[in-house]
Amino acid sequence: QVQLQQSGGEVKKPGASVKVSCKASGYTFMNYGITWVRQAPGQGLEWVGWISGYNGNTNYAQKFQGRVTMTRDISTSTAYMELRSLRSDDTAVFYCARGSDFFGFWGQGTMVTVSS
Amino acid sequence: EIVLTQSPGTLPLSPGEGATLSCRASQTVTKNYLAWYQQKPGQSPRLLIFDASKRAAGVPDRFGGSGSGTDFILTISRLEPEDFAVYYCQLYGGSVTTFGQGTKVE
Repeated sequence: QVQLQQSGGEVKKPGASVKVSCKASGYTFMNYGITWVRQAPGQGLEWVGWISGYNGNTNYAQKFQGRVTMTRDISTSTAYMELRSLRSDDTAVFYCARGSDFFGFWGQGTMVTVSS
Repeated sequence: EIVLTQSPGTLPLSPGEGATLSCRASQTVTKNYLAWYQQKPGQSPRLLIFDASKRAAGVPDRFGGSGSGTDFILTISRLEPEDFAVYYCQLYGGSVTTFGQGTKVE
């Protein structure tokens, strides 16, 4: 069965960086991209960007351009999202999801807390 | 960039009642590339509907999607206790994915 297993919660200071991982299993990793979605506490879903599982091409939301980098390791079927220059309003749960269009499979979410 | 506006923000209903949730796009949605998700507290979103009207695998038939162009609807024919949640619409198919702000069915 398709599973997306995300790394554990993180606590970071303002200005720091965080790197969240998403390990895929149950399907051919290169056949699908991975999308990242942010959800601030009590708020809605926000698209962060997408990485192709096939060739690593990326597409980032304009809001995160310059602060986010998405990568993947096909040898371990793992996608990564790094967010830099963290601010307090980056405190959120970050989800990975399979695909680039609609998302039938999601990770469990990773809570990133930014606090001094 | 297309903006999705969901209404109402909150929908107070009782089990057994029907629910109608609206999602309006600021521009015409290409090929009806619109999805609906359900999210319960502490859980990841769950895909209900894609391509505006196609039910995802395992989704009960009391959930239905309709609409085209700029106006889309999610209907829940008879609310079960487990249906009380937040529902999001999502636009896809272009270089940018957009979510609506959500409707809470309480």
